[in-house]
Amino acid sequence: GESVGLHLPTLSVQEGDNSIINCAYSNSASDYFIWYKQESGKGPQFIIDIRSNMDKRQGQRVTVLLNKTVKHLSLQIAATQPGDSAVYFCAENSGTSYDKVIFGPGTSLSVIP
Amino acid sequence: EAQVTQNPRYLITVTGKKLTVTCSQNMNHEYMSWYRQDPGLGLRQIYYSMNVEVTDKGDVPEGYKVSRKEKRNFPLILESPSPNQTSLYFCASKPWGPQGNEKLFFGSGTQLSVL
Repeated sequence: GESVGLHLPTLSVQEGDNSIINCAYSNSASDYFIWYKQESGKGPQFIIDIRSNMDKRQGQRVTVLLNKTVKHLSLQIAATQPGDSAVYFCAENSGTSYDKVIFGPGTSLSVIP
Repeated sequence: EAQVTQNPRYLITVTGKKLTVTCSQNMNHEYMSWYRQDPGLGLRQIYYSMNVEVTDKGDVPEGYKVSRKEKRNFPLILESPSPNQTSLYFCASKPWGPQGNEKLFFGSGTQLSVL
C-alpha cells in the first residue's frame, strides 16, 4: 500500500551541527511533499514543502531534497539549535487526490546543548 | 490572525457520555480534517470535508461523526465515547491553491481522556 515512512524514530545532534532527517515514500503518483514540525504540546506546523517538479528547495536554515528516482525525501537543518527539538513529520499528497494526506510516523529530534 | 481554533484544549469524560469537540478556521479554506495522534501510530485521519455539506471517512472513522454546515466550522462528535478513543485530536484545514494541494494548518489539539 501507499505509505510514507521515516528511517529513524529518534535523532540526537549536538547544538550547532547540521541535522538530516530522512523519509521514504512509496507512491510514485505523489507530487507534493511537506515537512511539519511538532513541538511538545502543540499542533504540527508547516516548515517547508516541495513539488515533484523540483529536487531541492531552501528556506531559512532548512533545505528539503527530493529524489524521485529512489522515492526519498530529506530535511536538512543547518546549525541546529535547542529550539529545533521537536518531532518532524514528512507528508505526501497525490496531486489527483485532494483529500488524502499520508503522514510518516515521525522522527524525534533532540538537540544536545 | 489566520488560525484553526479547537475547543476544548483538555477534556476528561466518562464512557458513553456524548461530547463534541469544536473546530473553526478563519482562512476560508474549503478542506477541513480531523486526526487523532497516538504514541507509535502517528497521525491518523478520522474524517475530512472537502466543502460545505461534503464529508468523507478517513482511515479510522468508527465511533465518530462530523458535520459541515458552514465553511468555517467542522465539529467532531463522539456519540458514545469509549476508553479506546482516549487520544490527542487535531483539526486541520487547507486551501486548494493554483498548483493544487497546499499545506495543512493545524489547531493546537484536544487531549481527550475517556474513563
